[in-house]
Amino acid sequence: DVKVTQSSRYLVKRTGEKVFLECVQDMDHENMFWYRQDPGLGLRLIYFSYDVKMKEKGDIPEGYSVSREKKERFSLILESASTNQTSMYLCASSPHGTSASYEQYFGPGTRLTVT
Amino acid sequence: LAKTTQPISMDSYEGQEVNITCSHNNIATNDYITWYQQFPSQGPRFIIQGYKTKVTNEVASLFIPADRKSSTLSLPRVSLSDTAVYYCLVGVFNAGNNRKLIWGLGTSLAVNP
Repeated sequence: DVKVTQSSRYLVKRTGEKVFLECVQDMDHENMFWYRQDPGLGLRLIYFSYDVKMKEKGDIPEGYSVSREKKERFSLILESASTNQTSMYLCASSPHGTSASYEQYFGPGTRLTVT
Repeated sequence: LAKTTQPISMDSYEGQEVNITCSHNNIATNDYITWYQQFPSQGPRFIIQGYKTKVTNEVASLFIPADRKSSTLSLPRVSLSDTAVYYCLVGVFNAGNNRKLIWGLGTSLAVNP
């Protein structure tokens, strides 16, 4: 079974703090994704990575950065957390290839609250 | 503007067949249609994927017409445990001719006893 783990299920941070969200997958997948999920807005892609040290902006990259130093690990960084970044953050991975890109395996999510 | 459209919510009863349709008018020619299921406080889970006609697995069936501008997820004989949000995911080409993944906003299915 593919396993995608996220470092925290719940996180509370203060405005202006730097926040690190970690994601690890154990299936040697090339692609990894970071999404945020908000009521009424569905899943919105923040960043994705198709290889180590490679990254591509998604639909809402502003205020976020990412790091992929190892194939199994993809980190999302909030440089200076703001209250509008309070959300559920979901990490996913998928194998390489067109059809496979859509077969994403998700972690349990991190519910981040910024106060 | 590429987008997907699916009903916000649906109600059903145990034992019934449920069909959820997603419209995706700008789907890329060679890309796939994928459906996910999500329970509260969990990440989405892959259900089924198809390119054309019909695909069936142990969980669901996926019907895709020839023009591929829509797809229908069919859940046979639903049970209470099928109460969840269902998302469609397709690929489209944006203005820069780059492939982009488009998620639907989800259909909240409530299965009643």
